[in-house]
Amino acid sequence: SQQGEEDPQALSIQEGENATMNCSYKTSINNLQWYRQNSGRGLVHLILIRSNEREKHSGRLRVTLDTSKKSSSLLITASRAADTASYFCATDVNNAGNMLTFGGGTRLMVKP
Amino acid sequence: ETGVTQSPTHLIKTRGQQVTLRCSSQSGHNTVSWYQQALGQGPQFIFQYYREEENGRGNFPPRFSGLQFPNYSSELNVNALELDDSALYLCASSLAVSNEQFFGPGTRLTVL
Repeated sequence: SQQGEEDPQALSIQEGENATMNCSYKTSINNLQWYRQNSGRGLVHLILIRSNEREKHSGRLRVTLDTSKKSSSLLITASRAADTASYFCATDVNNAGNMLTFGGGTRLMVKP
Repeated sequence: ETGVTQSPTHLIKTRGQQVTLRCSSQSGHNTVSWYQQALGQGPQFIFQYYREEENGRGNFPPRFSGLQFPNYSSELNVNALELDDSALYLCASSLAVSNEQFFGPGTRLTVL
């Protein structure tokens, strides 16, 4: 079973628009990470937010975390065609290590 | 490029056969994790190796086994292949104390 679930499953926007993806999870976490995957290849780490953080920025990315609601969101501002990819949230499975549980992903298409 | 390499890139096997996939971790990383990603789904954690010992396992049967070598490279072995084993197999390396995992490009396994 998967800890995280992304919403929506698919998102299509025009270049320049903002894209928001949401992730919900079930159990307590130490941190939550977002990854990007292009065309079924390897995952690229985007950002990590710790359980005691509420918001984090990296370039055009903004991630929020609400531990009371067990949810996170990823905002990509001023999207580009190159942002077209699948985006996954991942949480650590236990407190002892860094084994990740991924959601099903959001498939983002940015139209030029 | 993360510095994590996997071989082979693609592999076709028939049901009942055995397969070995290989992963070279990023320099300095002592932990390797393996994930299975079925088409259209998020990666699922198979197991993790830390300093040549299995450090955690997901919900996969014993016919999925692994090794980690003194140079921290790793192998994933799957015996008695089934059709449902067809997937992208991803390895990720990390420092044991870090939650950020660096993924390789994956091996696409097709079982006929």
